[in-house]
Amino acid sequence: KQEVTQIPAALSVPEGENLVLNCSFTDSAIYNLQWFRQDPGKGLTSLLLIQSSQREQTSGRLNASLDKSSGRSTLYIAASQPGDSATYLCAVGVNTGKLIFGQGTTLQVKP
Amino acid sequence: EAGVTQSPTHLIKTRGQQATLRCSPISGHTSVYWYQQALGLGLQFLLWYDEGEERNRGNFPPRFSGRQFPNYSSELNVNALELEDSALYLCASSPGQGTLLGNTIYFGEGSWLTVV
Repeated sequence: KQEVTQIPAALSVPEGENLVLNCSFTDSAIYNLQWFRQDPGKGLTSLLLIQSSQREQTSGRLNASLDKSSGRSTLYIAASQPGDSATYLCAVGVNTGKLIFGQGTTLQVKP
Repeated sequence: EAGVTQSPTHLIKTRGQQATLRCSPISGHTSVYWYQQALGLGLQFLLWYDEGEERNRGNFPPRFSGRQFPNYSSELNVNALELEDSALYLCASSPGQGTLLGNTIYFGEGSWLTVV
């Protein structure tokens, strides 16, 4: 059974820091991995999608990497800003067609 | 281009009643997913529809049901509501076959269901 874990559960950093969010999954047989952002009480915003054959994807200040063999992904946020404060969720796409989510990392960036 | 739209935004129901939630996917998307996000429980997969057919179902009782219409919009019905059904219900859409073809999944803003 696929399980997705995100560490840490919460993170507080000063503005301007570079930071890394971690995601691990137990079964390497994934189709892809997607990172989302969720603001309090809101829906999910897709940030990056990495296919199982890819190693990384970049969008602006965000860079996501995937190491399928070790069951790990990282989301790197450069030069963090207070507007980056949100919960970040990773999810793996599996052969049943669904996404399986981690519990998320809640990020607070202090001005 | 409009994103995934859900209605209603908020819904308050009494225990034992029925709730109906609606979702319109992004234009051109044929896959629709439903997830439940209850407080402290994370996102739990409910249902996946693709091209009008139910493709997969999560570990929820039969009183959770849904359907996808010919225009690919979808409805989630929850019968015999229980207090623990109170949650944010999120709909998502993607091009056909969703993650199986490596498609990005796009989520709506969700419908808050409160059962009292």
